Amino acid sequence: SQTIHQWPATLVQPVGSPLSLECTVEGTSNPNLYWYRQAAGRGLQLLFYSVGIGQISSEVPQNLSASRPQDRQFILSSKKLLLSDSGFYLCAWSVGAGDTEAFFGQGTRLTVV
Amino acid sequence: AQTVTQSQPEMSVQEAETVTLSCTYDTSESDYYLFWYKQPPSRQMILVIRQEAYKQQNATENRFSVNFQKAAKSFSLKISDSQLGDAAMYFCASLGGSNYKLTFGKGTLLTVNP
Repeated sequence: SQTIHQWPATLVQPVGSPLSLECTVEGTSNPNLYWYRQAAGRGLQLLFYSVGIGQISSEVPQNLSASRPQDRQFILSSKKLLLSDSGFYLCAWSVGAGDTEAFFGQGTRLTVV
Repeated sequence: AQTVTQSQPEMSVQEAETVTLSCTYDTSESDYYLFWYKQPPSRQMILVIRQEAYKQQNATENRFSVNFQKAAKSFSLKISDSQLGDAAMYFCASLGGSNYKLTFGKGTLLTVNP
């Protein structure tokens, strides 16, 4: 069966520090991968998505970047965090067509102090 | 462009009653999928119902059904016999069939009153 792992669950980082959030998927190949940010009580903002290794689509110009070094690994990074980067980050994956749906990780609550 | 609009930030319903959540979308994809996801306070995303755009028949899952109006680009969710456990944030989403871009609306917070 397919599973998605996202870590860490919570993170407190000082302003100006780097960030690395990792997401891995098991039990499937060539998944479409997504990173979202959710502010408190608000919607899911699509940050990046990837349909293959090395293919990254950026939706929102900002302080973040994403990479996909392996087929089932998706990393969200920042060189220098801002206070406005605080939020709840969700990783998700989907595959192909047919009875498709998106599956989500447990999320990372990031607080920049 | 691919957008999803939920015009109801909050809705409330009495237990056992029926409620309809609205969603409109826009996409340049000829083939796409539409979803409703539920997010309880745990923040885990749970698929409620799925609709393939090429299917004319409206999807149903037990107490949940959709009204899919393709020409109007409307995709509303009807919850029948509402239960306390239905209280959550509900998100409408679209997935492009060729670009695989998955876009969400801003959500509707549903309260179920006993």
